[in-house]
Amino acid sequence: QVTLKESGPTLVKPTQSLTLTCTFSGFSLTSSGEGVAWIRQPPGKALEWLTVIYWDGDDRYSPSLRSRLTITKDTAKKQVVLTMTNMDPLDTATYYCAHTVVFWHPQFYMDSWGQGTPVTVSS
Amino acid sequence: QSVLTQPPSVSGAPGQSITISCTGDRSNIGAGNDVHWYQQLPGTAPKLVIYRNINRPSGVPDRFSGSQAGISASLAITGLRPEDEADYYCQSYDRSLSGVFGGGTKVTVL
Repeated sequence: QVTLKESGPTLVKPTQSLTLTCTFSGFSLTSSGEGVAWIRQPPGKALEWLTVIYWDGDDRYSPSLRSRLTITKDTAKKQVVLTMTNMDPLDTATYYCAHTVVFWHPQFYMDSWGQGTPVTVSS
Repeated sequence: QSVLTQPPSVSGAPGQSITISCTGDRSNIGAGNDVHWYQQLPGTAPKLVIYRNINRPSGVPDRFSGSQAGISASLAITGLRPEDEADYYCQSYDRSLSGVFGGGTKVTVL
């Protein structure tokens, strides 16, 4: 059974950096065709895809946020870490991590999601 | 503004059928990239209901079906039930933008 859980601060100040950790189980992220993505959802708004890291270490980023995002993986700890710099109140959202199935690299879909973690950006 | 365009809302009476459209362009759906659909019940994480245009994950009722043609894709729900009331999102891959979502469609069961 695949499970994912996001953790990190619920409140960050403007200009600070945000670090979120996705701890997963039920898969290894070392097998071909696996990945972990981050997605966010501002209150009352649509889902926004942020980034994905593939089993082979390859990654993709949303072009509009690329300069502020970094995704890394630690397969021994079964964790994926998202770092977002220069946080702004507009970054207030629920942040989800999700297991991705990479069926035709780099195309993917997300078949298991974490519960999400709310992040508020405010001074 | 989302790269993939969905109607903001669709409604139907119990037992009826509805269809949600998802329109892209030649950089994403029109490039032959597959479309996937997610259901988000109020206050919960999204759940995959259709993957690779037409496939249902285990446990998703066969009332849900997907199709794709040209630059568009559709999610159909037949025999609408109160528990289908949720937000639905399409997702694909874009040459320039990588992962992309639609703006979401709120389904209301009248």
